[in-house]
Amino acid sequence: KAGVTQTPRYLIKTRGQQVTLSCSPISGHRSVSWYQQTPGQGLQFLFEYFSETQRNKGNFPGRFSGRQFSNSRSEMNVSTLELGDSALYLCASSWDGYEQYFGPGTRLTVT
Amino acid sequence: KQEVTQIPAALSVPEGENLVLNCSFTDSAIYNLQWFRQDPGKGLTSLLLIQSSQREQTSGRLNASLDKSSGRSTLYIAASQPGDSATYLCALNRDDKIIFGKGTRLHILP
Repeated sequence: KAGVTQTPRYLIKTRGQQVTLSCSPISGHRSVSWYQQTPGQGLQFLFEYFSETQRNKGNFPGRFSGRQFSNSRSEMNVSTLELGDSALYLCASSWDGYEQYFGPGTRLTVT
Repeated sequence: KQEVTQIPAALSVPEGENLVLNCSFTDSAIYNLQWFRQDPGKGLTSLLLIQSSQREQTSGRLNASLDKSSGRSTLYIAASQPGDSATYLCALNRDDKIIFGKGTRLHILP
């Protein structure tokens, strides 16, 4: 069974731009969660989607948004990028939202 | 507010030794606890998941325990190898939110 895939793997953007990251979960998994990982803050939960609905949300500003499609693939969008948004963005899929399987991440650099 | 602490932040151990990584948490009302490893710049690999009703889980050279009453989990690695070098994170699942510790960076010395 193929694992969680994320595209692109690396991205460089300029302040003020927007970015969209994509995540394809393990086949059959209905839950997709997104995390931001930085050296200072560690792994922080962004949001979780389950069957196309946002089920949980972390404490991030409204510039961070996401969606999930009927095939469970998910996208995360960050608008008006700031330097502090530079991070490794990880997505994880799960059958039930509990045991998580992570993708390799997208490394976003904002200049 | 649930907090997850992993001490030490970094650890160096000679190859072949057994070692224990610690994870402590402030609220015992958890659904499950999961241990992950992360190699530099990579995603997380799930190692072991312990349900709230369980006390421990084993996989190969790894054994994870959970003591909710004391707010502690430990990950025991037997006969450590250089390939075990990585960052190990514990994560608690509670109220449909997953909270991670900041990890212990483990270096196995050849």
